[in-house]
Amino acid sequence: GIQVEQSPPDLILQEGANSTLRCNFSDSVNNLQWFHQNPWGQLINLFYIPSGTKQNGRLSATTVATERYSLLYISSSQTTDSGVYFCAVPKTNAGKSTFGDGTTLTVKP
Amino acid sequence: EAGVAQSPRYKIIEKRQSVAFWCNPISGHATLYWYQQILGQGPKLLIQFQNNGVVDDSQLPKDRFSAERLKGVDSTLKIQPAKLEDSAVYLCASSLGLVSAGTQYFGPGTRLTVL
Repeated sequence: GIQVEQSPPDLILQEGANSTLRCNFSDSVNNLQWFHQNPWGQLINLFYIPSGTKQNGRLSATTVATERYSLLYISSSQTTDSGVYFCAVPKTNAGKSTFGDGTTLTVKP
Repeated sequence: EAGVAQSPRYKIIEKRQSVAFWCNPISGHATLYWYQQILGQGPKLLIQFQNNGVVDDSQLPKDRFSAERLKGVDSTLKIQPAKLEDSAVYLCASSLGLVSAGTQYFGPGTRLTVL
């Protein structure tokens, strides 16, 4: 099945800093989703982005499907941005719905 | 719009006991997913339903896990008998679209501890 790899595994920032999280996938996909899992365990949708670029406030995401990667940008980070960020490839004809192992972000005040 | 509902939120059982989890997806969502999330890992798909039919259950340990989605709406996931390694958060998600499309929306999860 498809492999999903995220980097870095851990990231520590000072409040106000910018960051880039990366998601690589091993096969072509026709959809990709970014989630934020807050400290209480709730998975919150950030972006549904099979290709191109989307922005929502301080967050934006870009997927380059032909090169099999997606990037999540966080600008002017806040302590509430802390948590684990996952990318996921929902089920395709080639395999099952697959999540990466996540990037744990800690934003310090 | 109401989100995905799950119950119970927490459950503690002893090994070899049985347990059941319930999920009510967002109204009108045809696809329902059950995931297992072990501490420090990403969610792992256990089973995916399209309406009341199973689309994928290749990672469901069928000797002890079972799931059903009667009438294509809410769903139950059962473990019988439980093992220590089943300790995890069990997440339910739903999506509006067909099998391979559509944003997944997650419930709050059920945290299972097996002693």
